[in-house]
Amino acid sequence: AQKVTQAQTEISVVEKEDVTLDCVYETRDTTYYLFWYKQPPSGELVFLIRRNSFDEQNEISGRYSWNFQKSTSSFNFTITASQVVDSAVYFCALGGNNRLAFGKGNQVVVIP
Amino acid sequence: NAGVTQTPKFRILKIGQSMTLQCTQDMNHNYMYWYRQDPGMGLKLIYYSVGAGITDKGEVPNGYNVSRSTTEDFPLRLELAAPSQTSVYFCASSYEYTEAFFGQGTRLTVV
Repeated sequence: AQKVTQAQTEISVVEKEDVTLDCVYETRDTTYYLFWYKQPPSGELVFLIRRNSFDEQNEISGRYSWNFQKSTSSFNFTITASQVVDSAVYFCALGGNNRLAFGKGNQVVVIP
Repeated sequence: NAGVTQTPKFRILKIGQSMTLQCTQDMNHNYMYWYRQDPGMGLKLIYYSVGAGITDKGEVPNGYNVSRSTTEDFPLRLELAAPSQTSVYFCASSYEYTEAFFGQGTRLTVV
């Protein structure tokens, strides 16, 4: 069975600080996909990034970066120089075996 | 390009009533999903479909039914609504192993 754990519930940071969100996953699939989604206060779910299980190269996209470590089953996400507009719930998700499983989410509050 | 469209956006049901949440996508995605989101609990998979005519149960299927007669449509049926089904429901679609696109959600209250 697939499982996604986001241990932190609410994280508060002062604007311009970096914030890192932890995600640990469990799966028996050899091929799987990992995602981060953002849910702003308006409620919609916005796709941010995707990583394939066979590609451990870490990347940076604007103020977002991610660290995928297959050995520890972790897929951490960092927002650099946070802004008030980054205040949202962030979900880590695991895709595989026709399913897409979500963690419980991290509430990020950016204080001006 | 409409993406994933869910209707209605809000609904109040009385206990024991039934209703259908509509979901349609125009991206020709083969995969479609229904989730419910309870406060602080993330998204739980209710049902999913990998193509027209094929559906399967997710984590929390009890009290719900789905059908997938076309690629575009994936309605979710609630029979005999209960207060425990008060939640926000999201429909999503994707190609295999790609990111899912979500509808705007349906806020359902059962009283």
